[in-house]
Amino acid sequence: GQNIDQPTEMTATEGAIVQINCTYQTSGFNGLFWYQQHAGEAPTFLSYNVLDGLEEKGRFSSFLSRSKGYSYLLLKELQMKDSASYLCAVMDSNYQLIWGAGTKLIIKP
Amino acid sequence: SQTIHQWPATLVQPVGSPLSLECTVEGTSNPNLYWYRQAAGRGLQLLFYSVGIGQISSEVPQNLSASRPQDRQFILSSKKLLLSDSGFYLCAWSVRENTEAFFGQGTRLTVV
Repeated sequence: GQNIDQPTEMTATEGAIVQINCTYQTSGFNGLFWYQQHAGEAPTFLSYNVLDGLEEKGRFSSFLSRSKGYSYLLLKELQMKDSASYLCAVMDSNYQLIWGAGTKLIIKP
Repeated sequence: SQTIHQWPATLVQPVGSPLSLECTVEGTSNPNLYWYRQAAGRGLQLLFYSVGIGQISSEVPQNLSASRPQDRQFILSSKKLLLSDSGFYLCAWSVRENTEAFFGQGTRLTVV
């Protein structure tokens, strides 16, 4: 079967760095997406990786290793507004998105 | 710029009543359209997707249906709601199959 695993919840301190991991097992691979979702709101797109390596976008970076079925989202200089759930999703060989359950990130002052 | 509208934001419906959720996209032509459901603490579950007018693919057998009467309009319906239909429903669009999806505000449906 297809599976996306990410931690249920993480806690970090304002101003610090946090890494949210995602491992996947899917039938084929056409890219990996990270989304941010604040409570009660719709997900918003953060990043897309289809090749191995690190993609940097301001305070957020996303890494992919296709051979290991692994990705992480790195958030630097954490701000209180970064408190949200972070969803990892993989596009399989049929171009269908398989979603993880999300990691709830709690930022403490 | 492209925008997606989804309504209503919240809905409380009795068991056995019908449902109609509407989603429209502006600023783009021939988008791929999606309906997702998200249960509390769970990932998004794809319900339906459409690559063109009248073309609907169903991912999960259930008492829900979808229609795409116009290029940028996607409707989720049910003839008789069940308690298990409660959840957060999200409409989304993408330019192509392998590009990011953009989501509407979502509809929180509570079936009582």
